[in-house]
Amino acid sequence: NAGVMQNPRHLVRRRGQEARLRCSPMKGHSHVYWYRQLPEEGLKFMVYLQKENIIDESGMPKERFSAEFPKEGPSILRIQQVVRGDSAAYFCASSSDRVLPLHFGNGTRLTVT
Amino acid sequence: QQQVKQSPQSLIVQKGGISIINCAYENTAFDYFPWYQQFPGKGPALLIAIRPDVSEKKEGRFTISFNKSAKQFSLHIMDSQPGDSATYFCAASVDSWANNLFFGTGTRLTVIP
Repeated sequence: NAGVMQNPRHLVRRRGQEARLRCSPMKGHSHVYWYRQLPEEGLKFMVYLQKENIIDESGMPKERFSAEFPKEGPSILRIQQVVRGDSAAYFCASSSDRVLPLHFGNGTRLTVT
Repeated sequence: QQQVKQSPQSLIVQKGGISIINCAYENTAFDYFPWYQQFPGKGPALLIAIRPDVSEKKEGRFTISFNKSAKQFSLHIMDSQPGDSATYFCAASVDSWANNLFFGTGTRLTVIP
């Protein structure tokens, strides 16, 4: 009965490289959410996706960030040309429909050097 | 701007004592108030939640108190144990929509034996 699976757990990238974060939702869940947690801050919503559709990307930075949730396979959060300010923990969550509660994964800790 | 304000930032409590964490909000449209518990290296996990039609909800040693007129709510952990040491986040949502979930900045609780 696997929960939300995220990989990698830790990711180190140099400035200017691309970061790809993957998320497999809980079995039976078709709604995926990405949150970002900066040091000493709470989680902030980035994007909400269903299979093959972006439903709400109001929290996503306008440039360099993109997300997808294809028909087959995990959801991907992509950050192009990473900068030091992108260093954070990125959490994926899933739900069976649009309403709470959310089930969170253990996150990907991105470090940009 | 921070939609949900949380205090204190950190809290040290003796084993057996009461831990109290406070949150405040401005948006009167919020109608669902969950609390999350996060251990180091893990994702947040739902602890307990309340809606504004009740003033208190208790689950085991955890109690939420809600003051609708003051737009404040708090988490009380009775008989605090070292295993409760974690970061606690309050949050608020409109219509329980998962993409409308706003987190506080977190309280790092340490329970000393």
